Amino acid sequence: SAVISQKPSRDICQRGTSLTIQCQVDSQVTMMFWYRQQPGQSLTLIATANQGSEATYESGFVIDKFPISRPNLTFSTLTVSNMSPEDSSIYLCSVDEWSLTDTQYFGPGTRLTVL
Amino acid sequence: AQTVTQSQPEMSVQEAETVTLSCTYDTSESDYYLFWYKQPPSRQMILVIRQEAYKQQNATENRFSVNFQKAAKSFSLKISDSQLGDAAMYFCAYRTRRGNKLVFGAGTILRVKS
Repeated sequence: SAVISQKPSRDICQRGTSLTIQCQVDSQVTMMFWYRQQPGQSLTLIATANQGSEATYESGFVIDKFPISRPNLTFSTLTVSNMSPEDSSIYLCSVDEWSLTDTQYFGPGTRLTVL
Repeated sequence: AQTVTQSQPEMSVQEAETVTLSCTYDTSESDYYLFWYKQPPSRQMILVIRQEAYKQQNATENRFSVNFQKAAKSFSLKISDSQLGDAAMYFCAYRTRRGNKLVFGAGTILRVKS
């Protein structure tokens, strides 16, 4: 399976600031996704990062709050903007190896704490 | 809308024993995939096992196997010979055709006693 890395692994931020999370894959993949996992909760999809076009956001998530970039087939970023304590979560990127196994594999996650 | 339900918030098993985690789902699709992911305290999501809905044979991966009942929309995970390293949060997940998102259940915390 693809090897996925995320930076930073964790961060503590002040409210009102923004944080950009990077996701790097060691091979070209068609689909990349960003999920949020709030404390003690399950995973919820934020958006699908599309290469060369705007991301596709799920209901309840907007581009102004979670801008996403996908400049090529191996890299994506998620920015959490104007943060509040409610944004404290684990953010995970995943990639779709549909050409091989129809399976999504996940990065190690970024633990964000907003004070 | 597709939903995934895990009715067991927490389960415990003695080391070397067998445990079964339950999962049910709701869908009107006929072609889909089901997964079990494991999330240890390190928070890394690890694929445990996958099942394609069109396959009647239950998937197995070493000590992990599933009981897939398509008509009942049930997808349980059996862990045999439980090990301390199996302790984690387990998520059941569903997706339709390629490129679609994963829909997750709420998760089951598995504790393994030595």
